[in-house]
Amino acid sequence: DIQLTQSPSTLSASVRDRVTVTCRASQAIGTWLAWLQQKPGKAPKLLIYGASTLESGVPSRFSGSGSGTEFTLTISSLQPDDFATYYCQQSNSYPWTFGQGTKVEVK
Amino acid sequence: EVQLVESGGGLVKPGGSLRLSCAASGFTFNSYSMNWVRQAPGGGLEWVASISRSSAYMYYADSVRGRFIISRDDAKNSLSLQMNSLRDEDTAIYYCARDTANHFDHWGQGTLVTVSS
Repeated sequence: DIQLTQSPSTLSASVRDRVTVTCRASQAIGTWLAWLQQKPGKAPKLLIYGASTLESGVPSRFSGSGSGTEFTLTISSLQPDDFATYYCQQSNSYPWTFGQGTKVEVK
Repeated sequence: EVQLVESGGGLVKPGGSLRLSCAASGFTFNSYSMNWVRQAPGGGLEWVASISRSSAYMYYADSVRGRFIISRDDAKNSLSLQMNSLRDEDTAIYYCARDTANHFDHWGQGTLVTVSS
């Protein structure tokens, strides 16, 4: 199985900060990586797929990059609505797997 | 508007069974693969099972293979998960999710399954 390791597990930041979350895969997955956002009590929401393609309706302050085994999610200017938990997810091969999550909290 | 609505969750004893359903609307259901993803209380996301268009292929996580069965009824725009031999560790919110080119682009609101004696 492909393991996804996110870092950091928790990130403390302020509004307007630039935020970066990293996801490392245990083996190469091309660009078969998605990023999702989840707020407490809500279902996850797709932000980015194909490592760097922004899902329709997602603000352009979110961006994704990487290929192979190392990927990043960047929020260029953190907004109050962005405090949430972020997950990466690989779909290169079954079983699909998720990272353990990165909680972005108020500093 | 794409909508996915799960139902069927509840409290069940270890060793018991439960059937979850997901009603889909707002898109051509038979054109998409579908998935179940779960989240234990306070935990992360875990993919459970996938079913392809026309039910040609089904895939399962090792943790549920042999106990859970994913199925779909394209005539009723419905996805199901039959869960047998339930264990404490199956306690979670279960989400159905639409699969577009191997990413989950729409999710239901989830249904809670609690396995406890």
